[in-house]
Amino acid sequence: ETGVTQTPRHLVMGMTNKKSLKCEQHLGHNAMYWYKQSAKKPLELMFVYNFKEQTENNSVPSRFSPECPNSSHLFLHLHTLQPEDSALYLCASSPSSGLFYSGANVLTFGAGSRLTVL
Amino acid sequence: KQEVTQIPAALSVPEGENLVLNCSFTDSAIYNLQWFRQDPGKGLTSLLLIQSSQREQTSGRLNASLDKSSGRSTLYIAASQPGDSATYLCAVEASGGGADGLTFGKGTHLIIQP
Repeated sequence: ETGVTQTPRHLVMGMTNKKSLKCEQHLGHNAMYWYKQSAKKPLELMFVYNFKEQTENNSVPSRFSPECPNSSHLFLHLHTLQPEDSALYLCASSPSSGLFYSGANVLTFGAGSRLTVL
Repeated sequence: KQEVTQIPAALSVPEGENLVLNCSFTDSAIYNLQWFRQDPGKGLTSLLLIQSSQREQTSGRLNASLDKSSGRSTLYIAASQPGDSATYLCAVEASGGGADGLTFGKGTHLIIQP
């Protein structure tokens, strides 16, 4: 366990369903992230939250809706998804959303939620 | 726009061999370069971080080098073991920095044969 827990680990949903992915960290980090990892594509940043405030929305379709009620929890609400949205969704956290260059600000990833959209 | 390329996409070698994974990036204005490991069905684990002012970093059997001017990095794995089997990703931190400045490669899928 890395300290970042994602649930569910696997999710199969139809295009008309509404579901949510959950991420939880108790590392005392202030920044949390959602990444999308599709087959044969680089990791894509979706959303960044710093101290519960969204600081980045990387042109993500509105069928993905993030929620960060506190610095320890992050949700990704899913509705009317498309089959091409099938992917591994990774949550990560770090002490802050600033520069990583010093090595003191390190990304810690969860194990991911494998989403299949039928 | 920064692009990161990793070669080869996949590699299979017998146990005990030394091997090199390659990463190249198009914009040399980076803060740092990181190598990550991803096991099947798992998240990413940071292996090594090289700051832009550094030439290399070592951790155990792993050695990462950085040539910023030519836009290249290598990850050298000595005396490979079956437990090294995983996907290795390279990422550079550039532009605004932080997570929104991280650009990842597609990874090299490594299999070490016992």
